[in-house]
Amino acid sequence: AQKITQTQPGMFVQEKEAVTLDCTYDTSDPSYGLFWYKQPSSGEMIFLIYQGSYDQQNATEGRYSLNFQKARKSANLVISASQLGDSAMYFCAMINTGRRALTFGSGTRLQVQP
Amino acid sequence: GAVVSQHPSRVICKSGTSVKIECRSLDFQATTMFWYRQFPKQSLMLMATSNEGSKATYEQGVEKDKFLINHASLTLSTLTVTSAHPEDSSFYICSASGDSKNIQYFGAGTRLSVL
Repeated sequence: AQKITQTQPGMFVQEKEAVTLDCTYDTSDPSYGLFWYKQPSSGEMIFLIYQGSYDQQNATEGRYSLNFQKARKSANLVISASQLGDSAMYFCAMINTGRRALTFGSGTRLQVQP
Repeated sequence: GAVVSQHPSRVICKSGTSVKIECRSLDFQATTMFWYRQFPKQSLMLMATSNEGSKATYEQGVEKDKFLINHASLTLSTLTVTSAHPEDSSFYICSASGDSKNIQYFGAGTRLSVL
């Protein structure tokens, strides 16, 4: 069985500062993928970033980067230069070779303050 | 690219009626589509996985006769909530994947309210 844990139900950050959202995972499968999604109040799920378990380098997508520490089974999302529009729920998720559906964490609500 | 369209975005219906929700991948072929349900302030819970041309695989506890899923083409999957009751009121959201990384792209979701 696989499990995703997000221990921060809510986070505050000042505009233009960086913020790290924590995510730890548990799986016995050597091959897996890790994802971060953003869900604004409108409800849609927006794909942000992907990290494969065999990827040598940490994934980056614009202001988003994934701090992948395989030995610690963590996949934290770093948002640099926060913007007011970054305020949303953020979900960490995982997929493995045996199960193509995503397993989601409980989410972290990020609020960016001016 | 990777746009998924979901309709309707909002539906209000009477108890006992059926509601159909459509999920379309607009610019890619989706080998697999997924249906999730989300309760307020909670995470997404997978309901079923559907592959084009085959029967959907339902998660434990999800009534397949209640939530009918059809995946007739590589770009369209539908979820029909049959004989809806107030407890079926929820946010339903679909996703589609078709690349080697299995990245799922989501529709905008459907908020169902059963009176």
